Amino acid sequence: NAGVTQTPKFRVLKTGQSMTLLCAQDMNHEYMYWYRQDPGMGLRLIHYSVGEGTTAKGEVPDGYNVSRLKKQNFLLGLESAAPSQTSVYFCASRRGLNTEAFFGQGTRLTVV
Amino acid sequence: RKEVEQDPGPFNVPEGATVAFNCTYSNSASQSFFWYRQDCRKEPKLLMSVYSSGNEDGRFTAQLNRASQYISLLIRDSKLSDSATYLCVVNNGPSGGSYIPTFGRGTSLIVHP
Repeated sequence: NAGVTQTPKFRVLKTGQSMTLLCAQDMNHEYMYWYRQDPGMGLRLIHYSVGEGTTAKGEVPDGYNVSRLKKQNFLLGLESAAPSQTSVYFCASRRGLNTEAFFGQGTRLTVV
Repeated sequence: RKEVEQDPGPFNVPEGATVAFNCTYSNSASQSFFWYRQDCRKEPKLLMSVYSSGNEDGRFTAQLNRASQYISLLIRDSKLSDSATYLCVVNNGPSGGSYIPTFGRGTSLIVHP
């Protein structure tokens, strides 16, 4: 049971490049979340999904897009990367609204 | 007022000490509560759930005080390996109208020899 898997784990982008981060969970969870974490800032929610085919904006959605075409996958896209998007990105999923969340191992993204 | 607040610390304690963290929440309709542990540059991992009656797991005790709207985490006999950031999480659940788990910013614990 892999849990929540994020790919890639590390990436360096040049300003203006685009990329997609993949989050895959094998626990049949309904709810999935993308966070970014910067030093001293805690976790900040970018986008989330309450089920297959749904997405919603979180606290810091600008510059990101998401898709949830399959229940097990939640994709985070950066259309035109900026240095301000240098961060550690975590994906999480959970079964229900009162259950615990499980996190992926994170993606360390540097935009130069 | 932030929805979930924690003292960022750091709490700097010697091995063997007992240390306690609190986490306050603002939504009285909050339904479930958790403590997570996050090591440097790693993902948060569930430490324990927090039940109304309180619960214990080895050296760790979690308690919920609904009247005062806070949860606590007590660590006894601290080990060097307990050094980490501890995040509290509050779920408002469907009746609270929220699909988003609310994370505190974390409390840093440093255990020294």
